[in-house]
Amino acid sequence: DIQMTQSPSTLSASVGDRVTITCRASQTISSQLAWYQQKPGKAPKLLIYKASSLESGVPSRFSGSGSGTEFTLTVSSLQPDDFATYFCQQYSSFWTFGQGTKVEIK
Amino acid sequence: EVQLVESGGGLVQSGGSLRLSCAASGFTFNIFEMNWVRQAPGKGLEWLSYIDGSGSTTYYADSVKGRVTISRDNAKNSLYLQMASLRAEDTAVYFCVRAPQSVMDVWGKGTTVIVSS
Repeated sequence: DIQMTQSPSTLSASVGDRVTITCRASQTISSQLAWYQQKPGKAPKLLIYKASSLESGVPSRFSGSGSGTEFTLTVSSLQPDDFATYFCQQYSSFWTFGQGTKVEIK
Repeated sequence: EVQLVESGGGLVQSGGSLRLSCAASGFTFNIFEMNWVRQAPGKGLEWLSYIDGSGSTTYYADSVKGRVTISRDNAKNSLYLQMASLRAEDTAVYFCVRAPQSVMDVWGKGTTVIVSS
């Protein structure tokens, strides 16, 4: 089974900050990685797929990079609506999610 | 509008069974792969099961293999998850998810299953 490890678990930031979340796969997954945003009581929302492709309708301040085993999600300028929990997910071999990164207000 | 609406959740005793349903609308259901994903209270996301568009290929996570069955009725634009031998650790919100080329792009709002011991 492929394990996904995200860091940090919690991130405190202010509006306008540039934030980066890291995701590491236990074995190579090429670019078969997605990022999701989830708010309390809501379903996850797809942000990024194929490691760096922006889902339609997602603001361009979100970007993804990486391949193989190391990946990052970057928010270039954090907005009030972006305070949420973010999950990475591999879909190279079945599906596995990272444990999540909560982005909270500093 | 593309939409997935889950139903069938509720309170069930340990060892009991439950059948979850997912009604799809706004897209051509029979050409899309579908999945079930769950989230225990305060926890992360766990993939449970996959089914292809025709219903001929299915996969299960080890945590539920042998206890759940995924199926679909393309004539009714519906996805199902039959769950048996439920345990306290199956308590979670269960999401129906569309997954073209394995990318989970559309999620339902979820249905809550509570297993009481």
